[in-house]
Amino acid sequence: KAGVTQTPRYLIKTRGQQVTLSCSPISGHRSVSWYQQTPGQGLQFLFEYFSETQRNKGNFPGRFSGRQFSNSRSEMNVSTLELGDSALYLCASSLAGAAYNSPLHFGNGTRLTVT
Amino acid sequence: AQSVTQPDIHITVSEGASLELRCNYSYGATPYLFWYVQSPGQGLQLLLKYFSGDTLVQGIKGFEAEFKRSQSSFNLRKPSVHWSDAAEYFCAVGYKPTGFQKLVFGTGTRLLVSP
Repeated sequence: KAGVTQTPRYLIKTRGQQVTLSCSPISGHRSVSWYQQTPGQGLQFLFEYFSETQRNKGNFPGRFSGRQFSNSRSEMNVSTLELGDSALYLCASSLAGAAYNSPLHFGNGTRLTVT
Repeated sequence: AQSVTQPDIHITVSEGASLELRCNYSYGATPYLFWYVQSPGQGLQLLLKYFSGDTLVQGIKGFEAEFKRSQSSFNLRKPSVHWSDAAEYFCAVGYKPTGFQKLVFGTGTRLLVSP
């Protein structure tokens, strides 16, 4: 069974641009959550989706948004990029439970660099 | 506020020696507890989890962890470290205070294995 797939692996963007990251969960998994990983802040929760509905949201500005499609694939979008948005963005899926009480299966992440 | 502490940023262990990585959390009730491992350029992989029951849990790759309620700790152990265990290890704590779900990661401990 294929794991969690994130595309692209690397992105370089300029301040002020916007970016869309994609995540395909493990087949059959309905819950997808997103995390931002930086050396300074560590792993920070962005949001969680289940059956196309946002179930939970972290403390990030409105420039960060996401959605989930009927096939459970998810995208996250960051608008008006800032230098501080440079990070590894990780997507994780779980079978049905919520991120706080279920084993998560992570993708290898998208490395976003904002210049 | 709830928090997760991994007091050791780096740990160096000789190959074949035993390992213990510390994790402490602050939360009144028993949370959901996880240990994840991240190799360079990769996402996180679940090592083990504790939800309830026997406080000593076994995971993959020969790892185990013990939940100690009185100390609010969930330390990870391995009796004999292999060079391939060099990676970063994250403790994560999930809880649901007053209906709001949270999954918080510790700042991680980087394990170096010396020959």
